[in-house]
Amino acid sequence: DTGVSQDPRHKITKRGQNVTFRCDPISEHNRLYWYRQTLGQGPEFLTYFQNEAQLEKSRLLSDRFSAERPKGSFSTLEIQRTEQGDSAMYLCASSLGGAGVSYNEQFFGPGTRLTVL
Amino acid sequence: DAKTTQPPSMDCAEGRAANLPCNHSTISGNEYVYWYRQIHSQGPQYIIHGLKNNETNEMASLIITEDRKSSTLILPHATLRDTAVYYCIVRPTQGGKLIFGQGTELSVKP
Repeated sequence: DTGVSQDPRHKITKRGQNVTFRCDPISEHNRLYWYRQTLGQGPEFLTYFQNEAQLEKSRLLSDRFSAERPKGSFSTLEIQRTEQGDSAMYLCASSLGGAGVSYNEQFFGPGTRLTVL
Repeated sequence: DAKTTQPPSMDCAEGRAANLPCNHSTISGNEYVYWYRQIHSQGPQYIIHGLKNNETNEMASLIITEDRKSSTLILPHATLRDTAVYYCIVRPTQGGKLIFGQGTELSVKP
């Protein structure tokens, strides 16, 4: 399967614990996005990378959230000191992007569902 | 905030065409109209996009009005597997983040 993969698919944690999610994009894609989706709402943008560089961060991304893409391939999203309000589906997507790229639709992974007790 | 307005829900009979409307009256000249759908418990899936001309692919057709202030996604022969939330999104030509609204929940009924 050459699509976007995310790990784990489900995570249950206690309030105050740290969690880390991983996303592996489609191999030739240089852009990687993170979104969060709560029940009944559309996905909300969190941040995106072009290669290793984090180009944009949403105001939703509090200082408890950090994302990395150290080698321009996979990415991790860490949430420190989790709160019950962090319970959501965390979606990763990848695309081509940059100058001269016109075919840049995003391909989404299956998501990681986080439950904070 | 999302720059699009969609009805919250629609029903369609299996085998009939599903026509999903979207208003984007503030769209800029450099913004495309994109459609994604999300089947329950899955990530969103790209369907189609267009700038000003009508577009068709193996999944759907996209009709954009001449003034570009609204569009319609057409699923020509809806099946039960087309039951999903459909999102209409406007997005600059250079790409970047997607801003999702509430979408339209389409229920295809036998």
